[in-house]
Amino acid sequence: KAGVTQTPRYLIKTRGQQVTLSCSPISGHRSVSWYQQTPGQGLQFLFEYFSETQRNKGNFPGRFSGRQFSNSRSEMNVSTLELGDSALYLCASSLEGGGRATGELFFGEGSRLTVL
Amino acid sequence: DAKTTQPTSMDCAEGRAANLPCNHSTISGNEYVYWYRQIHSQGPQYIIHGLKNNETNEMASLIITEDRKSSTLILPHATLRDTAVYYCIVHSGTYKYIFGTGTRLKVLA
Repeated sequence: KAGVTQTPRYLIKTRGQQVTLSCSPISGHRSVSWYQQTPGQGLQFLFEYFSETQRNKGNFPGRFSGRQFSNSRSEMNVSTLELGDSALYLCASSLEGGGRATGELFFGEGSRLTVL
Repeated sequence: DAKTTQPTSMDCAEGRAANLPCNHSTISGNEYVYWYRQIHSQGPQYIIHGLKNNETNEMASLIITEDRKSSTLILPHATLRDTAVYYCIVHSGTYKYIFGTGTRLKVLA
């Protein structure tokens, strides 16, 4: 069974640009959540989607957005990039959608974004 | 979701048991304790979870105190491949996990 796939794995952007990251969850998983990881702030929750609906959102500015498609694949977008957006962006999928506390997360390898 | 407190780092000799503590004194009755680990910037990997009973799987054991205010993850025979950052999380099903800073475990040869 294929794991969570994130693309691209690495990318470099300049300030002011925008970026779109993609996540394909494990087959059958309907929940996708996104996390940002930086050396200073650690792993921080961005948002979670289930059946194309955003169910929860972390404390990030509106420049960070996401969506989920009917096949459960998800994308996140960051507009007007800032230097501080440089990070590893991790996607995780879950079978139960996290609504039940026993829904463990399966993470992808992440997309490493560098903003110059 | 309740917060957790973990030691910043620990060392463990290869072949010995690694005991990683976690304090979650504000945990509420419906919150589970989860453990994940992250090996050198890979995505975190699920290890184990529990509510109030001790749990064991092929990777580790989880011991939760009776008052549920703390727990210990036990890797029974640590290997060099277990060197990683270990995260203890409490989660009540609010669709988000709050990761703390974790414990950086170094297994020494």
